[in-house]
Amino acid sequence: SQTIHQWPATLVQPVGSPLSLECTVEGTSNPNLYWYRQAAGRGLQLLFYSVGIGQISSEVPQNLSASRPQDRQFILSSKKLLLSDSGFYLCASYDRVGQRDEKLFFGSGTQLSVL
Amino acid sequence: ILNVEQSPQSLHVQEGDSTNFTCSFPSSNFYALHWYRWETAKSPEALFVMTLNGDEKKKGRISATLNTKEGYSYLYIKGSQPEDSATYLCALWAGTASKLTFGTGTRLQVTL
Repeated sequence: SQTIHQWPATLVQPVGSPLSLECTVEGTSNPNLYWYRQAAGRGLQLLFYSVGIGQISSEVPQNLSASRPQDRQFILSSKKLLLSDSGFYLCASYDRVGQRDEKLFFGSGTQLSVL
Repeated sequence: ILNVEQSPQSLHVQEGDSTNFTCSFPSSNFYALHWYRWETAKSPEALFVMTLNGDEKKKGRISATLNTKEGYSYLYIKGSQPEDSATYLCALWAGTASKLTFGTGTRLQVTL
């Protein structure tokens, strides 16, 4: 099965500072990769997904960007953080060449507080 | 935009009670329906992935059913325990999409 490494676990950043969250995947090749966010009191919102190296789809207009420089590496970035970027960020991986009943594997998450 | 709805939004039950939640989704272009359990400060963990109409799956005291023709799935917990306290998420994989669409979840709290 897959293992998703996500860091850091917690992050406190001032408004206007840059952001880089990294996610790496083990145990699969050529997965679909996802960045989700849970804002306070809300469900799981898909921010970005990638079906291959250099391929990024954005789900919602926002202050964030994503990149996939390697097959099993997915990075979430921002040049200048806003207060509204605070939340719990999750990276996830899906083996798209697997069976129909494949599940999503999640990283341990990053709690970002922008002050 | 796919609309995946879960009800109730939150639920508070006593230890030993049985409970169930609903996930509603568009029935057209169905591919798979996922259920995840998400404890505070942890990663969501898959409970079930259901692909066929009429599917029933069970894991211990938790079970789920699927009706793809009418677009709903039920999650049942028998004899709730405090460790069942979590948010339960359903998510739809539709057609040839490359992503899951999550519902907003049902937050379950089980007290002694």
